[in-house]
Amino acid sequence: NAGVTQTPKFRVLKTGQSMTLLCAQDMNHEYMYWYRQDPGMGLRLIHYSVGEGTTAKGEVPDGYNVSRLKKQNFLLGLESAAPSQTSVYFCASIAGTTYNEQFFGPGTRLTVL
Amino acid sequence: GNSVTQMEGPVTLSEEAFLTINCTYTATGYPSLFWYVQYPGEGLQLLLKATKADDKGSNKGFEATYRKETTSFHLEKGSVQVSDSAVYFCALMGTGGFKTIFGAGTRLFVKA
Repeated sequence: NAGVTQTPKFRVLKTGQSMTLLCAQDMNHEYMYWYRQDPGMGLRLIHYSVGEGTTAKGEVPDGYNVSRLKKQNFLLGLESAAPSQTSVYFCASIAGTTYNEQFFGPGTRLTVL
Repeated sequence: GNSVTQMEGPVTLSEEAFLTINCTYTATGYPSLFWYVQYPGEGLQLLLKATKADDKGSNKGFEATYRKETTSFHLEKGSVQVSDSAVYFCALMGTGGFKTIFGAGTRLFVKA
């Protein structure tokens, strides 16, 4: 099992450009999450999904959109990137509320110039 | 709402020293409690967990006990190694919930 994978690993964008980050998990997990990690701020939840076809806003959703068309994939989109979105992005998943350990991907380091 | 507070870092120790990283929480009911570790350049990974009061989670020489009376889940290790240098996150998930609340993280440096 690959666990949780993220593509790309690194990306540099110019202000106003768009991109999509892909997260994939092969553990048949129901719940998936997108976080951003900034120095001194820990992890902040951007969006999450409790199942295929469902998404919901987290703590810092502005400027991001998500989709979960397939259970194993959770996409994070930036429509018009801003320098404030420079961060490391992590995807995570859990099997359910009983088996609730989070499995994290390796992260995507995004720089917006 | 639920919250997690952990000691600020960085924490710098010499090899073989004793480690304590304090973590306290606020939550209703009986949340599950976790410690995650993040090594440089990697994602977080579960270090240990406890799901009910007085449970002790342990892994790789690290331990933490779920103390309901003091709402604490302090991380301890008797003898740290250079390879333990990482950022440690205390976290909780509320009863029946599906969102994990993370502390701000504590960076640990271990010197040889």
